[in-house]
Amino acid sequence: KNQVEQSPQSLIILEGKNCTLQCNYTVSPFSNLRWYKQDTGRGPVSLTIMTFSENTKSNGRYTATLDADTKQSSLHITASQLSDSASYICVVSADSGYSTLTFGKGTMLLVSP
Amino acid sequence: NAGVTQTPKFQVLKTGQSMTLQCAQDMNHEYMSWYRQDPGMGLRLIHYSVGAGITDQGEVPNGYNVSRSTTEDFPLRLLLAAPSQTSVYFCASKRTGGREQYFGPGTRLTVT
Repeated sequence: KNQVEQSPQSLIILEGKNCTLQCNYTVSPFSNLRWYKQDTGRGPVSLTIMTFSENTKSNGRYTATLDADTKQSSLHITASQLSDSASYICVVSADSGYSTLTFGKGTMLLVSP
Repeated sequence: NAGVTQTPKFQVLKTGQSMTLQCAQDMNHEYMSWYRQDPGMGLRLIHYSVGAGITDQGEVPNGYNVSRSTTEDFPLRLLLAAPSQTSVYFCASKRTGGREQYFGPGTRLTVT
């Protein structure tokens, strides 16, 4: 069964600090991995999408890494801001269609002043 | 572009009532889908559509109906609401061949 596991479940950091969120998956065959940011009461917004051949991708202060061999991904947030407080969701796709997206439960990040 | 819009934002139903959650997109995307998000769980696919007139079931389709008469609209119907359908519902869309999926703001539904 395809699964996406995220850790930690929740995290509190001080403003200005860095943090790293983890994602392990057992989705096969692998097509791409996405990280979404979901603010409270809003829909998810895409941060990065990586395919098998991409092992690092950045979007501003967000940097995602992918190790397709170990089936692990991480999302690193640099110099955190209060607006980074949100749930971060890892999603793995087995192909480009809709029916094969497997969503993680998310990591809830709180950035404290 | 307004992107993906959903109405209503909040809704309370009594068990056995019916209602339709509306979803519209103005990006001319072929793919549209409905998800539900429950506490402690990842988003789960309810139904999806690859174009006007074509729909298919996702992971949790029971209790929900959909239709796709136009490219822009993809309503989700609950015929006999049950407390188990209390959830936050998200609509999403993407273009054919694209990887980027765009989500609406969600509808929070409570069934009492």
